Amino acid sequence: DQQVKQNSPSLSVQEGRISILNCDYTNSMFDYFLWYKKYPAEGPTFLISISSIKDKNEDGRFTVFLNKSAKHLSLHIVPSQPGDSAVYFCAAPKYSSASKIIFGSGTRLSIRP
Amino acid sequence: DGGITQSPKYLFRKEGQNVTLSCEQNLNHDAMYWYRQDPGQGLRLIYYSQIVNDFQKGDIAEGYSVSREKKESFPLTVTSAQKNPTAFYLCASKGSDREKLFFGSGTQLSVL
Repeated sequence: DQQVKQNSPSLSVQEGRISILNCDYTNSMFDYFLWYKKYPAEGPTFLISISSIKDKNEDGRFTVFLNKSAKHLSLHIVPSQPGDSAVYFCAAPKYSSASKIIFGSGTRLSIRP
Repeated sequence: DGGITQSPKYLFRKEGQNVTLSCEQNLNHDAMYWYRQDPGQGLRLIYYSQIVNDFQKGDIAEGYSVSREKKESFPLTVTSAQKNPTAFYLCASKGSDREKLFFGSGTQLSVL
């Protein structure tokens, strides 16, 4: 079974604070993970990725942490800004078929003033 | 500008009708994908193609068909066999940058 799961459908964070979005995966053979951001009625855009040989990757306000023993990754956004309000998807290429990229169900992040 | 163009943005299908969603890319990417998004759900893979004249079924291919006659184009046909076609359809492509997908702006398909 190869799945990525986002168990929180929504999250509300005050502007300027930290947003933490979580993702769990079922197969320890996954070796690469990506986060995408999506606005309504638009296609997702790539945000940040991480290889399983790392436990952290940072790009400006965005940091992704990978905990391989827990099969868990998280996306941290700090400080949160109004433009960060969107749906965030974690994704991973399937082991044994890297061209098949599977997505979690998404977390809707709302940044309140 | 390089990118992926999906058309139309909105499409309505009548009962028993086949409809085709267009996807064109000028990124020179080999791989192309079709995903479906239902409200409150993630993206589910319908079909993908790694190279011209070749394509594979994704997780929910039933009721859909595709072709890949040109590198730039990957149209998706939603056939009458797809009983629940109302969804937001997303086309994507991937180049050499590992696993990073570039998405079009999507087509919202609704049933009349």
